Amino acid sequence: AQSVTQPDIHITVSEGASLELRCNYSYGATPYLFWYVQSPGQGLQLLLKYFSGDTLVQGIKGFEAEFKRSQSSFNLRKPSVHWSDAAEYFCAVGAFDGNKLVFGAGTILRVKS
Amino acid sequence: GAGVSQSPRYKVAKRGQDVALRCDPISGHVSLFWYQQALGQGPEFLTYFQNEAQLDKSGLPSDRFFAERPEGSVSTLKIQRTQKEDSAVYLCASNRGGLYNEQFFGPGTRLTVL
Repeated sequence: AQSVTQPDIHITVSEGASLELRCNYSYGATPYLFWYVQSPGQGLQLLLKYFSGDTLVQGIKGFEAEFKRSQSSFNLRKPSVHWSDAAEYFCAVGAFDGNKLVFGAGTILRVKS
Repeated sequence: GAGVSQSPRYKVAKRGQDVALRCDPISGHVSLFWYQQALGQGPEFLTYFQNEAQLDKSGLPSDRFFAERPEGSVSTLKIQRTQKEDSAVYLCASNRGGLYNEQFFGPGTRLTVL
């Protein structure tokens, strides 16, 4: 079965610093990969997705992610973090047996000023 | 409204009570999903509808969980004889259909079973 691992439960970065959130997936074929952000009291919002093609994907709010098949990874990056980026971030993979998403446990991002 | 709405936003139930959670998807979205998010965890798939047809209910944890979407729009997730382990946030999402199109999520219903 597909699975997603987000090794970091919490990450704290200073405002203006760069950010990388890790995601590793287990999947038997070319995966459909997603990053979502969840702010308190808000629904999950899609940041970006990878289906095929260019392995560097640009998303909203200045985020990008790179698909690395050899490492089974899809890490999320941002060059300069803003205080408003504090939230919980979820990596997900599309299950091969349907439209459902399989999510990781999430990484809580804290931004210090 | 422009987004997915869910009601109630918060529900407290005594163990053994039945609850019904409602989801209003984005107008015109043919696919509707339910996920369960336990505290400190990522969302876990429960069930999926395409229009009124329930195509996948493999994630429903027990026969106490039942979902319906009779007219292909609003959906209700019903939990019978609630247990403490049912306490979680229940998320609804919808999309236009097709494979892995963006799922738009509602704010969720936080269920607490005492």
